[in-house]
Amino acid sequence: ILNVEQSPQSLHVQEGDSTNFTCSFPSSNFYALHWYRWETAKSPEALFVMTLNGDEKKKGRISATLNTKEGYSYLYIKGSQPEDSATYLCAHNAGNNRKLIWGLGTSLAVNP
Amino acid sequence: GAGVSQSPSNKVTEKGKDVELRCDPISGHTALYWYRQSLGQGLEFLIYFQGNSAPDKSGLPSDRFSAERTGGSVSTLTIQRTQQEDSAVYLCASSFQAGPSYEQYFGPGTRLTVT
Repeated sequence: ILNVEQSPQSLHVQEGDSTNFTCSFPSSNFYALHWYRWETAKSPEALFVMTLNGDEKKKGRISATLNTKEGYSYLYIKGSQPEDSATYLCAHNAGNNRKLIWGLGTSLAVNP
Repeated sequence: GAGVSQSPSNKVTEKGKDVELRCDPISGHTALYWYRQSLGQGLEFLIYFQGNSAPDKSGLPSDRFSAERTGGSVSTLTIQRTQQEDSAVYLCASSFQAGPSYEQYFGPGTRLTVT
């Protein structure tokens, strides 16, 4: 994998469902993996910054895991709510050049 | 406290005109980034500033694009002789320092439409 890939591209779930998406990135020269939430008409908002293999982070109903050796991160949302509807972006830094490489995002729609 | 602000929120311009986009970062943040998102594309890095260091301009798509950051705070992205392919949402972000482990705080963006 040369770039950051996110799957699925879009997702529709019912309120109360739990869901997860994937971010895949090059596993060499890993420095950091970022997750952001971008709601329509708002600014992207940082959810997690993960730097260590095996990291697990949690914020409310949202959690993320990181596997730097195989080059993937999962984002989990437990008991989805309509307000979780947004595009979830991940971004990867593969060197000490301070630049993030961004995926195209997973668009989540939670139906009430 | 105040977040990152950008102006204008929307800009429609004719092909060939110059435009200036402004970003006010969070006070105390030393790093400032410019990105753009074209329709159907991911966030594309354009340029970043870190303190008084020379900016990393490696993402600027052509010499029609330039940016400056005055006094380590406000930044202006200038696009000269705009083309239709410049139409995009231009986002500014700041962070406490430049570095992969620092989260970035984004502004609301400027939607640029070149007709």
